[in-house]
Amino acid sequence: EAQVTQNPRYLITVTGKKLTVTCSQNMNHEYMSWYRQDPGLGLRQIYYSMNVEVTDKGDVPEGYKVSRKEKRNFPLILESPSPNQTSLYFCASSLDGRGRANYGYTFGSGTRLTVV
Amino acid sequence: AQSVTQLGSHVSVSEGALVLLRCNYSSSVPPYLFWYVQYPNQGLQLLLKYTSAATLVKGINGFEAEFKKSETSFHLTKPSAHMSDAAEYFCAVSAGDTDKLIFGTGTRLQVFP
Repeated sequence: EAQVTQNPRYLITVTGKKLTVTCSQNMNHEYMSWYRQDPGLGLRQIYYSMNVEVTDKGDVPEGYKVSRKEKRNFPLILESPSPNQTSLYFCASSLDGRGRANYGYTFGSGTRLTVV
Repeated sequence: AQSVTQLGSHVSVSEGALVLLRCNYSSSVPPYLFWYVQYPNQGLQLLLKYTSAATLVKGINGFEAEFKKSETSFHLTKPSAHMSDAAEYFCAVSAGDTDKLIFGTGTRLQVFP
């Protein structure tokens, strides 16, 4: 089954403790992206990747890091989490990122992160 | 730059009534437009998309949307609401040369028996 898999689904952590949220897709997609969803703000892009070793900032990158060492994986790293990073996070992928297919994203099921 | 505005953060309808969720977009280039649905505790699922072909787009679960360039709108409709339609709906826009999606703030649809 074609899918984007995120782990964990739920995470509670303390301020300053480094964490990684994993994302993996099995569709050979080139484009991957991380979004955070907050009430009243919709989804905002954190980082994206056009291909292996090619990453760039989205609209709200502060406090986050990403890497793309393999095509299928795109982990989101919070080096020193803070309470304002409490949110619902989604990973998404699409075919090539250059709009030629543009059939929309395939989303993961989300990771609900709470930083206390 | 692209943007979308969803009018109404909450919409309530009775089962069997018309569903109308509003979305207006802003784009300096011909846009691609999408509607996504998010059921409780789930990710986002693509309902339908407009990519410059037919202006009336049919999607899954009986939903459709009409692209109106003169009104810069892409409203989502369904003739008869079902209880299972209760969810949050997001409108999104992208330019034609990138897959980056700009999302609206969402509309939560409630369906009453």
